[in-house]
Amino acid sequence: DSGVTQTPKHLITATGQRVTLRCSPRSGDLSVYWYQQSLDQGLQFLIHYYNGEERAKGNILERFSAQQFPDLHSELNLSSLELGDSALYFCASSGPSREGTEAFFGQGTRLTVV
Amino acid sequence: AQKITQTQPGMFVQEKEAVTLDCTYDTSDQSYGLFWYKQPSSGEMIFLIYQGSYDEQNATEGRYSLNFQKARKSANLVISASQLGDSAMYFCAMREGLHGANQAGTALIFGKGTTLSVSS
Repeated sequence: DSGVTQTPKHLITATGQRVTLRCSPRSGDLSVYWYQQSLDQGLQFLIHYYNGEERAKGNILERFSAQQFPDLHSELNLSSLELGDSALYFCASSGPSREGTEAFFGQGTRLTVV
Repeated sequence: AQKITQTQPGMFVQEKEAVTLDCTYDTSDQSYGLFWYKQPSSGEMIFLIYQGSYDEQNATEGRYSLNFQKARKSANLVISASQLGDSAMYFCAMREGLHGANQAGTALIFGKGTTLSVSS
């Protein structure tokens, strides 16, 4: 168990809909990273939050947004969903160290858009 | 240009044999870290091993070792005595900009992965 909790594990929704994925980081970790894993694009970094503030953006679509709350949990909002958004979405957390701290991954949310 | 390159889409090995999974990387940073993760068919990402750019010795964790050749910019994963449970997708990843002023850290950059199949 990595200590990172993601809910839900599976999500099936229709095109055009909006969903929210939730992530609770490991206790004490201030950084939360969101990744998307799809068959054609591989594992892509979406966005990074540190202690409630957005720190970096990767290949995140404008239809997607995220936030990190005061209790450090994070939510990834995906709107106007398209078939191509079907993927495994991971959240990872890591400590505040400047060292090469490993990122601990949640189990992922498998999103299927139909 | 890809920052992490894994040139082997699939590798096949027999139980108890050793296998090397290749990874090359591209960075202009002096301080960076290299990681290997295992993703079994269940989907979770399992951390295996880490090598810092300033580490002089190759990292080892049980049956896993990282063959770090800095001048060649390669960080190959060696799995000794393969087991059936090692069958999975393996990802090489890099974190740049370590030891800098950015205490928040930086995201991992992943390669496309190598599927390892272990047979009995």
